[in-house]
Amino acid sequence: EVQLVESGGGLVQPGGSLRLSCAVSGFTFSSNWMSWVRQAPGKGLEWVATISQDGSQKFYVASVKGRFTISRDNVQSSLFLQMNSLRAEDTAVYYCARYIASQFDPWGQGTLVTVSS
Amino acid sequence: QSALTQPASVSGSPGQSITISCNGTSSDVGAYNYVAWYQQHPGRAPKLMMYHVTNRPSGVSDRFSGSKSDNSASLTISGLQAEDEADYYCNSFTKSTTWVFGGGTKLTVL
Repeated sequence: EVQLVESGGGLVQPGGSLRLSCAVSGFTFSSNWMSWVRQAPGKGLEWVATISQDGSQKFYVASVKGRFTISRDNVQSSLFLQMNSLRAEDTAVYYCARYIASQFDPWGQGTLVTVSS
Repeated sequence: QSALTQPASVSGSPGQSITISCNGTSSDVGAYNYVAWYQQHPGRAPKLMMYHVTNRPSGVSDRFSGSKSDNSASLTISGLQAEDEADYYCNSFTKSTTWVFGGGTKLTVL
């Protein structure tokens, strides 16, 4: 069974940092591109970042460039998102998803990040 | 990169057909056949319903179909069922090597 399980969300003050993790099982993690997609409360989906199989290629939405870093550990089958200089507008549920053949599939259940003082 | 444009809401009665539009530009929807559609029920993770404009993943009902013309894509659901009531999002790869979603469409089955 394919599973993507996010963790690491929580309440953080503006300007703070948080590291999200996504544990993957059920498919060959090291052979797949991976992504993070977020959804602010009551809002739509927003692509955040994507990383290639070996981590050599990384792409970010403009609003997080220079603040967020996507990475992966192919030995541990885990995906990460290091989020620094967090802002209120980064408050969202963060989903990890496999990126395959130009689509995001499947998705994890998400982890909530709240940026507030 | 601006979000793709979708109607905020659509509705239909059981058994009817509805179409959700997704308007982009020549830099995203119009540039590639890399348009996908996702269904999201309240409190749940999104689920892939259509990829490469017209392809249904295994397990998705053939009541769902997709199309594209120039810079616009569409998702049509025929034979509406109560379980189809959800939010739907389109998504496209862009020439800037980024990905963009539509604002989402709430489908109500009357």
